[in-house]
Amino acid sequence: DAGVIQSPRHEVTEMGQEVTLRCKPISGHNSLFWYRQTMMRGLELLIYFNNNVPIDDSGMPEDRFSAKMPNASFSTLKIQPSEPRDSAVYFCASSPGQPNNQPQHFGDGTRLSIL
Amino acid sequence: GENVEQHPSTLSVQEGDSAVIKCTYSDSASNYFPWYKQELGKGPQLIIDIRSNVGEKKDQRIAVTLNKTAKHFSLHITETQPEDSAVYFCAASKHSSASKIIFGSGTRLSIRP
Repeated sequence: DAGVIQSPRHEVTEMGQEVTLRCKPISGHNSLFWYRQTMMRGLELLIYFNNNVPIDDSGMPEDRFSAKMPNASFSTLKIQPSEPRDSAVYFCASSPGQPNNQPQHFGDGTRLSIL
Repeated sequence: GENVEQHPSTLSVQEGDSAVIKCTYSDSASNYFPWYKQELGKGPQLIIDIRSNVGEKKDQRIAVTLNKTAKHFSLHITETQPEDSAVYFCAASKHSSASKIIFGSGTRLSIRP
């Protein structure tokens, strides 16, 4: 059973550039979560989807960040324009959603460096 | 909203000894408490979870206890081994259709040989 797949694993780009992170959830899971991890702030939930619909985006830091889930097997997190303070590891996770309180399964993350 | 506090932030134990990590939560409606282990360069991986209808759960060398009255829950690792070295996160979640969970700040566990 393939786990959550994230790409790219590493991304280095200059500030001002657009960055797109990708995630393929586990097949059959209907909840998808995007997290950001930094030393200073730990693991922060940015946004999550249920059945491809965004449920809570209150963790998205600002308008430069956007996320989409066009279908059940794919999601993107986009930063435009990127800034050095966006440097972090970004994780995607998925869960079955139902029944309630099923564990989340994480991908191995995208390490993003904005120069 | 829910707030999860985790202690200690770092923990060093001798191989073979036990390690205990403690968490508290603020929302009495929380009813699901997973623990995750994160190794270097990897995403967090679920190692054990407990629901509010039980007070303790054990899986080999790992056990978790829950005190709903005090809103405390703890992870216990016995007979620690070098491969237990990692960052551990506690988390709490309420009964909801989307299973949003709130993570603690993490504990970096080091096992001394």
